[in-house]
Amino acid sequence: TQLLEQSPQFLSIQEGENLTVYCNSSSVFSSLQWYRQEPGEGPVLLVTVVTGGEVKKLKRLTFQFGDARKDSSLHITAAQPGDTGLYLCALAAFMEYGNKLVFGAGTILRVKS
Amino acid sequence: NAGVTQTPKFRILKIGQSMTLQCAQDMNHNYMYWYRQDPGMGLKLIYYSVGAGITDKGEVPNGYNVSRSTTEYFPLRLELAAPSQTSVYFCASIPSSGFSTDTQYFGPGTRLTVL
Repeated sequence: TQLLEQSPQFLSIQEGENLTVYCNSSSVFSSLQWYRQEPGEGPVLLVTVVTGGEVKKLKRLTFQFGDARKDSSLHITAAQPGDTGLYLCALAAFMEYGNKLVFGAGTILRVKS
Repeated sequence: NAGVTQTPKFRILKIGQSMTLQCAQDMNHNYMYWYRQDPGMGLKLIYYSVGAGITDKGEVPNGYNVSRSTTEYFPLRLELAAPSQTSVYFCASIPSSGFSTDTQYFGPGTRLTVL
């Protein structure tokens, strides 16, 4: 079972529509990161959320961290074809040396023009 | 400043062959990671390193080996390639602090197919 569950797995929408993707866990985490990955590229960090209830905005993207720090959402307003990609959430887990990122399976977003 | 670079970009191996995936970073980051990404499965940690000479296993280390003789390079070795190792491999690094809020910088990936 995945430590992080992302939904939906796949989303295909028209340009200009709004959408929300979700990242959920049964565990409380201290921080959560959202990444976007385009085909043939590595993931690129979009945002890190740390405080329960925190809301961060990045142009048309709005990120929210749940009050209990067990879930997060990413809302895109007026989606553009350039938003197409794989959206991954990740949390930091402590190891013997430093941290590692545990990733969800991702949401594939396709925005059609 | 090239960031994290990986070579090769693509490779096809026969079962039983071996190869080394190269990873280099020019940001003087102590922490480096190797992940594999399978369709619908997110990224899984293979090995990681917190500095030259220090490496440790991640979630899926079987069939792989690593070494870290310098800060810049973190190669991943496949000794006896198996079809289950068909995947896209990503190398990543973070600054020396290793805090949970640090940004991981990823390379462009190596797409490996084992036939």
